[in-house]
Amino acid sequence: DVKVTQSSRYLVKRTGEKVFLECVQDMDHENMFWYRQDPGLGLRLIYFSYDVKMKEKGDIPEGYSVSREKKERFSLILESASTNQTSMYLCASRDPGGATEAFFGQGTRLTVV
Amino acid sequence: QQPVQSPQAVILREGEDAVINCSSSKALYSVHWYRQKHGEAPVFLMILLKGGEQKGHDKISASFNEKKQQSSLYLTASQLSYSGTYFCGTEGRNFGNEKLTFGTGTRLTIIP
Repeated sequence: DVKVTQSSRYLVKRTGEKVFLECVQDMDHENMFWYRQDPGLGLRLIYFSYDVKMKEKGDIPEGYSVSREKKERFSLILESASTNQTSMYLCASRDPGGATEAFFGQGTRLTVV
Repeated sequence: QQPVQSPQAVILREGEDAVINCSSSKALYSVHWYRQKHGEAPVFLMILLKGGEQKGHDKISASFNEKKQQSSLYLTASQLSYSGTYFCGTEGRNFGNEKLTFGTGTRLTIIP
């Protein structure tokens, strides 16, 4: 059974903290994504990685960075968490080449207080 | 840029039909459809690749109008299990640009 695993379901952090959200996939996928989900705004792409150490900005990269040191792991980093980054974060992965199914993790509900 | 979905929300009685639309401002290579139930991860429904292509399984089908950069998802004789939020995802026509961008979502509620 294919799996995308996010390290935490729920996370509470303080304003100004550095926050790491981890995502691991076991399907040997080259493409990995981080999305943010907010009511009424749908799924917004934060960052996309198409290979180890390779990344591209999505639609809302401000305040975020990413790291992909190994193929199976894609980390989202909030350098200095702010309350407006309180949200549901979803990781996804898929094969390259376009028009391939994306597999999602269960999501991390991050609350910044 | 995110594709735009309409309607934002719809409530149906069991057995009724629904159409969800997805519109993009950029030329498209493919359109994806996913469904997310409350508290769960989005789950893949189908991908449409060619202009005019229609796909479907069971009573859920979709079409892709490449010229208009639009796709529609059709749910026929809806069942309670169809409830959830539906997302369309789009890829641009630049080969190698494999960003998958999702829409604003459509919340579908089926009532008995």
